[in-house]
Amino acid sequence: DVKVTQSSRYLVKRTGEKVFLECVQDMDHENMFWYRQDPGLGLRLIYFSYDVKMKEKGDIPEGYSVSREKKERFSLILESASTNQTSMYLCASSPTGGKQPQHFGDGTRLSIL
Amino acid sequence: AQRVTQPEKLLSVFKGAPVELKCNYSYSGSPELFWYVQYSRQRLQLLLRHISRESIKGFTADLNKGETSFHLKKPFAQEEDSAMYYCALKGLGNEKLTFGTGTRLTIIP
Repeated sequence: DVKVTQSSRYLVKRTGEKVFLECVQDMDHENMFWYRQDPGLGLRLIYFSYDVKMKEKGDIPEGYSVSREKKERFSLILESASTNQTSMYLCASSPTGGKQPQHFGDGTRLSIL
Repeated sequence: AQRVTQPEKLLSVFKGAPVELKCNYSYSGSPELFWYVQYSRQRLQLLLRHISRESIKGFTADLNKGETSFHLKKPFAQEEDSAMYYCALKGLGNEKLTFGTGTRLTIIP
């Protein structure tokens, strides 16, 4: 069974802090994704990566960056956290090709004070 | 550009009644469509996808290319169906998913 693990379920940070959200998958998937989930807005793609050291912007990349140094790990970075980045963050992974679904982690609820 | 519309944010249905969650999409090619579900305090998980043509937990969804719809249906709602449901689209040759805004389904006992 695919396992996508996000390092924290809940996180509280202060405005201006640099914040790291970590995600690890154990199925050797090429693709990894970061979304934020907000009521009434659904899931919006922040960044995704289709290979080590490769990344592409999603629909709402502003204020975020990512890092993928190893295939199994995809990090989301908030360079200078702001209150409008308070949200639920979901990580997902999928293999390339075919018609494979994305598998999601439990999510990290991030609050920026 | 690809777009997914779920017109209902909230839907309440009595137990035993039929359920239909609407999903319409906009995409110029042949899309892959998915329904994801998130039960309370659980992770988002795949419910079904159109290529499988299967019924999961009594739910079915048919891709209607003429109406560009992928509505989720169940003939008799159960209390455990209460959850958040998201429709999602993947374009040809594209690994990204575009999600709708979701519908929160509540089954009334």
